[in-house]
Amino acid sequence: DTAVSQTPKYLVTQMGNDKSIKCEQNLGHDTMYWYKQDSKKFLKIMFSYNNKELIINETVPNRFSPKSPDKAHLNLHINSLELGDSAVYFCASVGTSSTDTQYFGPGTRLTVL
Amino acid sequence: AQTVTQSQPEMSVQEAETVTLSCTYDTSESNYYLFWYKQPPSRQMILVIRQEAYKQQNATENRFSVNFQKAAKSFSLKISDSQLGDTAMYFCAFMKINSGNTPLVFGKGTRLSVIA
Repeated sequence: DTAVSQTPKYLVTQMGNDKSIKCEQNLGHDTMYWYKQDSKKFLKIMFSYNNKELIINETVPNRFSPKSPDKAHLNLHINSLELGDSAVYFCASVGTSSTDTQYFGPGTRLTVL
Repeated sequence: AQTVTQSQPEMSVQEAETVTLSCTYDTSESNYYLFWYKQPPSRQMILVIRQEAYKQQNATENRFSVNFQKAAKSFSLKISDSQLGDTAMYFCAFMKINSGNTPLVFGKGTRLSVIA
């Protein structure tokens, strides 16, 4: 049973389109994240949610809008896609204890043409 | 703000040999965790090992061990008896301990190739 799942795993789209990536965790965790891994493999936090509430927004363009309908789900919607949005997007979750480990989803490779 | 530096973009090692990956970090926090994550070509992020900053003893997980030097802010990963399956990107990561969980701050990664 997958702990953190993301759909889709691959997404190819044209510039200017709007797309969404979905994330679900079945670990009962309260905190979820979106990370972006660029073409040079650098991983950086984008957003952090705790119990459906936005905690961290790391100066991400407002074309990116995360939404958490419940604490098991954190979706990422991207408007007006640009070439520079091409990357791998990882969802992750972690429990409430500071000793908990972050679990990562399999990643979504987004390619904007 | 915390920063994590991995000074070796690429490394290679012969199968069955030992290799050490370097990581340094900068922080003013006193309570934090450090991690090594492995990312094989499948791109899945896999936790290799973690170290609590308050523990002096270096963490070990089978063939993987760390050399944690808190004063020097250094956190290197040693892989013993390297296997072909160890070929991957390795990321060093920092997490400060807060009232809640905080996101990871990653280094830029080291690409390790294990050669038969």
